[in-house]
Amino acid sequence: AQSVSQHNHHVILSEAASLELGCNYSYGGTVNLFWYVQYPGQHLQLLLKYFSGDPLVKGIKGFEAEFIKSKFSFNLRKPSVQWSDTAEYFCAVSSSASKIIFGSGTRLSIRP
Amino acid sequence: NAGVTQTPKFRVLKTGQSMTLLCAQDMNHEYMYWYRQDPGMGLRLIHYSVGEGTTAKGEVPDGYNVSRLKKQNFLLGLESAAPSQTSVYFCASRGTGVVTEAFFGQGTRLTVV
Repeated sequence: AQSVSQHNHHVILSEAASLELGCNYSYGGTVNLFWYVQYPGQHLQLLLKYFSGDPLVKGIKGFEAEFIKSKFSFNLRKPSVQWSDTAEYFCAVSSSASKIIFGSGTRLSIRP
Repeated sequence: NAGVTQTPKFRVLKTGQSMTLLCAQDMNHEYMYWYRQDPGMGLRLIHYSVGEGTTAKGEVPDGYNVSRLKKQNFLLGLESAAPSQTSVYFCASRGTGVVTEAFFGQGTRLTVV
């Protein structure tokens, strides 16, 4: 069965600090990987996605993620965070069975 | 475009009452999903559908039923609500193309007292 682990439950950073959020998945077959963001009081929005090709994926708002197949990881990065990045971030995996399974989320707090 | 619309947005139920949450999408998507979101647990898949007339169980299906009689609608039913079903419920839809992501509704906040 598919599963997704996000080990960082709450990350607190100062503005301009660099960000890396971890995501590991377990599934032996071909997977599609996603990062979603949920701003306070809002629904989930897509940040970026990986299906195939270049393992370094660039998304919106300066976010990027790297797919490392050997480590079953898809970590999210941003070189310099802003206060407006305060949100909850979810990693998700989808297999050919069409289900999309989410991790438990990482709450990101940015100090002005 | 409306995208994915959920009704109602808020609801308070008494234990044992029943209710149906409606999800409607206007993107002609084949796949639809119901998730619940609880603090510290992320989004957990309740049920999903890969097309009109089909449904399948997700990670936490107990206590819920679903129906997909029309392609654009996906209904989530609670036959006898319990306090453990207090949560925020999100519906999502997704196309079947090669590079597709899920689009989410605004959520339904349900409280069972």
